[in-house]
Amino acid sequence: TQLLEQSPQFLSIQEGENLTVYCNSSSVFSSLQWYRQEPGEGPVLLVTVVTGGEVKKLKRLTFQFGDARKDSSLHITAAQPGDTGLYLCAGADRGSTLGRLYFGRGTQLTVWP
Amino acid sequence: GAVVSQHPSRVICKSGTSVKIECRSLDFQATTMFWYRQFPKKSLMLMATSNEGSKATYEQGVEKDKFLINHASLTLSTLTVTSAHPEDSSFYICSASSAGSYEQYFGPGTRLTVT
Repeated sequence: TQLLEQSPQFLSIQEGENLTVYCNSSSVFSSLQWYRQEPGEGPVLLVTVVTGGEVKKLKRLTFQFGDARKDSSLHITAAQPGDTGLYLCAGADRGSTLGRLYFGRGTQLTVWP
Repeated sequence: GAVVSQHPSRVICKSGTSVKIECRSLDFQATTMFWYRQFPKKSLMLMATSNEGSKATYEQGVEKDKFLINHASLTLSTLTVTSAHPEDSSFYICSASSAGSYEQYFGPGTRLTVT
């Protein structure tokens, strides 16, 4: 079993603040994906990181993959109410069956205007 | 690209009846499809994985005779909840990936309510 520990579980902040969400594991992943999900909808893929130490930016979102490919972080700068949602990290193991993803338990982000 | 649809988006059924949920990849060939269940404000729980033309691989604790999965083509997978009971009420989400890719693209989900 590959466990992804995601923290914090809940985050409630004011518009304009910065925040970071963490995903940690003792296992090595071949890639890691970040998704965002809104109530009543399916998760939407935000980014995939593959290389250890990789940093990807998506507007105000910065994603980092740890050097050892065991952890990842999502940093949001100047959060806006539209960023509200459930953020999920998911790791892929090249050796796992059929491309299975191992999901963190999610971070519920609420940004207040 | 990478659009996945699910039908129906919502369904209400009586206890004891069966419900079929369809998952389609609209613009790519999905060699593998996944079925998840999600409880309110919780993460996704993988139920089963299926390859086109093969039997699904179920996660531990998921009854294969209750949750029937068919992946008959590279663009369509179905999940049938047989003899549904109120405890089967949940949000069911499918995802699809193409050969050699670790990225999964999710459908919009199906809200099942069993009365």
